[in-house]
Amino acid sequence: SQQGEEDPQALSIQEGENATMNCSYKTSINNLQWYRQNSGRGLVHLILIRSNEREKHSGRLRVTLDTSKKSSSLLITASRAADTASYFCATDLIQGAQKLVFGQGTRLTINP
Amino acid sequence: ETGVTQTPRHLVMGMTNKKSLKCEQHLGHNAMYWYKQSAKKPLELMFVYNFKEQTENNSVPSRFSPECPNSSHLFLHLHTLQPEDSALYLCASSQATGGNQPQHFGDGTRLSIL
Repeated sequence: SQQGEEDPQALSIQEGENATMNCSYKTSINNLQWYRQNSGRGLVHLILIRSNEREKHSGRLRVTLDTSKKSSSLLITASRAADTASYFCATDLIQGAQKLVFGQGTRLTINP
Repeated sequence: ETGVTQTPRHLVMGMTNKKSLKCEQHLGHNAMYWYKQSAKKPLELMFVYNFKEQTENNSVPSRFSPECPNSSHLFLHLHTLQPEDSALYLCASSQATGGNQPQHFGDGTRLSIL
């Protein structure tokens, strides 16, 4: 069953702009992860944020987590053409937390 | 370059054929996964192996048969598949099972059923 839902489904911006993608989930979690997938390739892990954390940074990436709203956001600052990809959030469940459940993803296009 | 290698990258087979997908990880991980990625659908977990033992079978039809001879290798044996089985099949590994473990993915096998 689908746990995370990304919003928007597709996003197109100009190079240099910031891109924000959101993920909402339904049940309580221990951890939330963000992944990137380039066309024709596998997923690449970006960031893991724990339920007791509110914000994490990695280079140009900033992830926030609001457990009261059951939502997370991924911000990519100063976007580049190479950031064009699909982005997925994945959550575990407090009960049976041995696996990740992925959302459908946001397709991000960076226009030069 | 991800440390997880899948072969073949592309596979076309008829509904009566038998074929196998192979996954190998060079990361020293103990957990391995098979996922199915279809268009317009979320990534679907199929199987989880931890220290060579299957710990999760997500109600996968028996025409998909996994095999994990050791912690570095994972196979998916296919037989009598249906057209709706056409998809990208992704293998992943992690140090251990659990939602606090980043997963490392291979580039997948694009499977087409004729």
